Amino acid sequence: QTVVTQEPSFSVSPGGTVTLTCGLSSGSVSSSYFPNWYRQTPGQAPRTLIYSTNTRSSGVPDRFSGSILGNKAALTITGAQADDESDYYCVLYMGSGISVFGPGTKVTVL
Amino acid sequence: EVQLLQSGPEVKKPGESLRISCKASGYTFASYWIGWVRQMPGKGLEWMGIIYPTDSDTRYSPSFQGLVTISAGKSFTTAYLQWSSLKASDTGMYYCVRQVGSDWTGYYFDYWGQGTLVTVSS
Repeated sequence: QTVVTQEPSFSVSPGGTVTLTCGLSSGSVSSSYFPNWYRQTPGQAPRTLIYSTNTRSSGVPDRFSGSILGNKAALTITGAQADDESDYYCVLYMGSGISVFGPGTKVTVL
Repeated sequence: EVQLLQSGPEVKKPGESLRISCKASGYTFASYWIGWVRQMPGKGLEWMGIIYPTDSDTRYSPSFQGLVTISAGKSFTTAYLQWSSLKASDTGMYYCVRQVGSDWTGYYFDYWGQGTLVTVSS
């Protein structure tokens, strides 16, 4: 069974840039997986950030961007702010209506 | 305004049955996939499955197939997640989501419910 992978954690300085990735235990992620990105802060429902690789959801600032880097999907946060501290999840579409979440990346801004 | 309003927290014993709900408003309920996402305590998000209310076409994650039942009542614009025999490992937060897209554009979740906390304990 193919597993979606993400880094467990990342630390970024305020104003800095961080790139999170989303891969597969077997194979490469391409735009055909239509990767999505969501963020969740403790005690809150998740919020949609990016869909179809690089389309920002309504109201998401342009310092969040999505892309394919090599064989993985990527979420880049530029100009990190304190309130960007969250868990970030990627989702890949596997076909037949089925989606799979990655395990999430905890981002700390300090 | 699109809203997904979920039913309140539940405390159940192992072996009991349960159905939680997600009432949709602000859009044509029958025209969008609606699904469920689990989050066990301190853990990540897991996609469970979706249903298309127009024809009740249902898709399950292999991890949840046979363990839960997803249904939808078009007349009441409500989706349901049901267990016939709960286990302690079913404890968690359950979110309903509106899933939009297609096989050609991919899918994503554009609206989320507030979550329903299910606690299963003897």
